[in-house]
Amino acid sequence: AQKVTQAQTEISVVEKEDVTLDCVYETRDTTYYLFWYKQPPSGELVFLIRRNSFDEQNEISGRYSWNFQKSTSSFNFTITASQVVDSAVYFCALSEDGVDSSYKLIFGSGTRLLVRP
Amino acid sequence: EAGVTQSPTHLIKTRGQQATLRCSPISGHTSVYWYQQALGLGLQFLLWYDEGEERNRGNFPPRFSGRQFPNYSSELNVNALELEDSALYLCASSEGQGWNTEAFFGQGTRLTVV
Repeated sequence: AQKVTQAQTEISVVEKEDVTLDCVYETRDTTYYLFWYKQPPSGELVFLIRRNSFDEQNEISGRYSWNFQKSTSSFNFTITASQVVDSAVYFCALSEDGVDSSYKLIFGSGTRLLVRP
Repeated sequence: EAGVTQSPTHLIKTRGQQATLRCSPISGHTSVYWYQQALGLGLQFLLWYDEGEERNRGNFPPRFSGRQFPNYSSELNVNALELEDSALYLCASSEGQGWNTEAFFGQGTRLTVV
């Protein structure tokens, strides 16, 4: 069964600290896609990254980096030198590539990040 | 380029009434997805429309319905509103079918049922 687990419900850090948000997923498929979205207080889901299951290269985008490890079914997200504007709820999500399942995005429960000045 | 737009931003309805939520996808996107984000229940898949047809729905009662117009915009209708329908309803669109293409969400419609 498909499942995404974000064990960290809430994280609080002081500005400029590095923080890692954990994501563990379960899937039967060999082809799947993993996502991270940011949801600020305004409510919209902001797309951060999409990664397919065949691409295990880590990715860095500015202060954001992602560590994808198929061996541990994890897709962790690190914010370096966090800022107050990073405060939001972050969701990890999974989509399988099958005809019967490619339409569905399975979300984790989210991690609320609070960055204090 | 305009993103996914949803209207209204906020909607307050009385129990038993009907609510209509609207979504305009990104230009060129043919698939529209609806998700419900209720307090304590996380983000749950509601409906998927593609090329004007309902392709699949999540585990929601029939009073949740919708349609997709020829211009690919979409409406979500919720009949006989119940208090537990209060939630943020998010719409997303993608260029092709499925999440193996880029998909983007709108800002949501916050529905409050009193």
